[in-house]
Amino acid sequence: GAVVSQHPSRVICKSGTSVKIECRSLDFQATTMFWYRQFPKKSLMLMATSNEGSKATYEQGVEKDKFLINHASLTLSTLTVTSAHPEDSSFYICSARSQGGSIQYFGAGTRLSVL
Amino acid sequence: LAKTTQPISMDSYEGQEVNITCSHNNIATNDYITWYQQFPSQGPRFIIQGYKTKVTNEVASLFIPADRKSSTLSLPRVSLSDTAVYYCLVASGTDSWGKLQFGAGTQVVVTP
Repeated sequence: GAVVSQHPSRVICKSGTSVKIECRSLDFQATTMFWYRQFPKKSLMLMATSNEGSKATYEQGVEKDKFLINHASLTLSTLTVTSAHPEDSSFYICSARSQGGSIQYFGAGTRLSVL
Repeated sequence: LAKTTQPISMDSYEGQEVNITCSHNNIATNDYITWYQQFPSQGPRFIIQGYKTKVTNEVASLFIPADRKSSTLSLPRVSLSDTAVYYCLVASGTDSWGKLQFGAGTQVVVTP
């Protein structure tokens, strides 16, 4: 299957700092990328959908100024958690889908811990 | 997005076949059925996708009845490493956004 690389796998930061997470499709062009958040023992919750070259669409309740998403190329999307606070600590997962493709391929996830 | 319902948990012994049934009564004509596997602290891994009848790959089989209101994922001869959460999802193959709405999934526990 297609490969989606997510980096970093784990990050620990101080409260108030910003953290950037990268999501790359390694062997296909991802016209659409998705960002999810997952709390312990809970299911994935979609945060936003991004299409290459356009603004991301955020799900209800997700602060767009808090979670900045950039999808500048067909193989890279970034999620920046701005001014992170302890409540932002979570497992963030990205996925990518090629144009016309019906399958989303997921990254390995990023564990964010805000102290 | 069609909602899916699947059992919360299933237990099995090594070497047995595990069948997980998912209900998706509101599935639309253009919707595909996709199953993912997730281990703790990892992203979901694609297992199989189907539209109707039966699909088989090297990992699993997916059975879809004619009305497509349910589907069954079949894992043959499970091993301890198949202990994971399995998600059944329905999404449009033609929708430009392709959103997936994850339910609670089914926690499969395989014991010796």
